[in-house]
Amino acid sequence: DTAVSQTPKYLVTQMGNDKSIKCEQNLGHDTMYWYKQDSKKFLKIMFSYNNKELIINETVPNRFSPKSPDKAHLNLHINSLELGDSAVYFCASSRWDEQFFGPGTRLTVL
Amino acid sequence: GDSVTQMEGPVTLSEEAFLTINCTYTATGYPSLFWYVQYPGEGLQLLLKATKADDKGSNKGFEATYRKETTSFHLEKGSVQVSDSAVYFCALMNRDDKIIFGKGTRLHILP
Repeated sequence: DTAVSQTPKYLVTQMGNDKSIKCEQNLGHDTMYWYKQDSKKFLKIMFSYNNKELIINETVPNRFSPKSPDKAHLNLHINSLELGDSAVYFCASSRWDEQFFGPGTRLTVL
Repeated sequence: GDSVTQMEGPVTLSEEAFLTINCTYTATGYPSLFWYVQYPGEGLQLLLKATKADDKGSNKGFEATYRKETTSFHLEKGSVQVSDSAVYFCALMNRDDKIIFGKGTRLHILP
């Protein structure tokens, strides 16, 4: 019954590695997002997809690449991880104005 | 550009105290306004919303009124509980359907 799910929940990795975070929603929503939340809880939008098309691409390093294989999935791939990438990453979906968030993926780069 | 400003935390109150968390916004036109809550270890979830001037959103004892004249959407609750301890985010959705969040206010309720 999970509406928006993310895997993994925790991710610990070394600098320079490449990693992916997966997101799936079973709400039938058209729009999906990736957010980054830093240690001070500041939430920043990274990307937004509508029906598999990229519609928002904020100022994010091109090491971050979202991929939407279908309307229900939006994955985030990160190349050459850096210490500053450590954060909690949230996936979300929406149909009209309400956003539904996943439980988050805590990424720690050592 | 459009923005949301909310009071910095943390806010610490005793149980049963009255809560106000201030939020003001800057936007063109008539944005929709929201309060989201994030409990420890979880994602954000919608607490309440208002889509036009003078609307009042309410849920779980929390209320906020859309004030166009003061561009504000302050969150209030008459009697807080320990279980209300969380981070609260004010947000708007502008005419481009882009959602903009405030920086969040951490609330601690002491028993």
